[in-house]
Amino acid sequence: DIQMTQFPSTLSASVGDRVTITCRASQEIYSFLAWYQQKPGKAPKLLIYRASTLQSGVPSRFSGSGSGTEFTLTISSLEPDDFASYYCQQFNFPWTFGQGTKVEIK
Amino acid sequence: QVQLQESGPGLVKPSETLSLTCSVSGDSIRNYYWSWIRQSPAKGLDFIGYFSHGGSTFSNPSLNSRVTMSMDTSENQLSLKVTSVTAADTGIYYCARVIVLGPQLHGLDVWGHGTTVSVSS
Repeated sequence: DIQMTQFPSTLSASVGDRVTITCRASQEIYSFLAWYQQKPGKAPKLLIYRASTLQSGVPSRFSGSGSGTEFTLTISSLEPDDFASYYCQQFNFPWTFGQGTKVEIK
Repeated sequence: QVQLQESGPGLVKPSETLSLTCSVSGDSIRNYYWSWIRQSPAKGLDFIGYFSHGGSTFSNPSLNSRVTMSMDTSENQLSLKVTSVTAADTGIYYCARVIVLGPQLHGLDVWGHGTTVSVSS
């Protein structure tokens, strides 16, 4: 199985900060990567798919980049609603997820 | 707007079979691919399997053939069965819709709220 290493595991930031989360695949996954946001007690919400395609309705402050084995999720200016956990997922079978990054208030 | 709702017993005894249903409203299940995902503190988000609108199923080999996924088009429902459960199968179980572009699957764009399953005697 492809291992997804996500870092940092926790990130302390303030409203207005630029935030970057990284996901590294143990082997080539081309652009078959998605990013999700999850808040406590809720299901994950799709933010980005195909590494850089913004899901409909997701604010443009979220962006994704990368291909091959290294990917990033960037929040250009953190808003109060963005404090949550974020996960990457790769789509080579069997699908696997990163362990998550919790973005907390500094 | 497609909505998903999982349901099933909250408690299952070890070695028994877990059975869950995902009711889909707002569109026909025949139009999409679907997936089951679970989440636990120990394993994080864990891929169980996915299946096509034609009914072909692909379950995670790590589950050692304990998983059966199916569709009931008359009821517009998805179902999941996991046999011989252990405490490691405890978690929140989600059904989700899969984004398909050409031959490739790309993301899970609609999720149910999840249903909590505990495996305990």
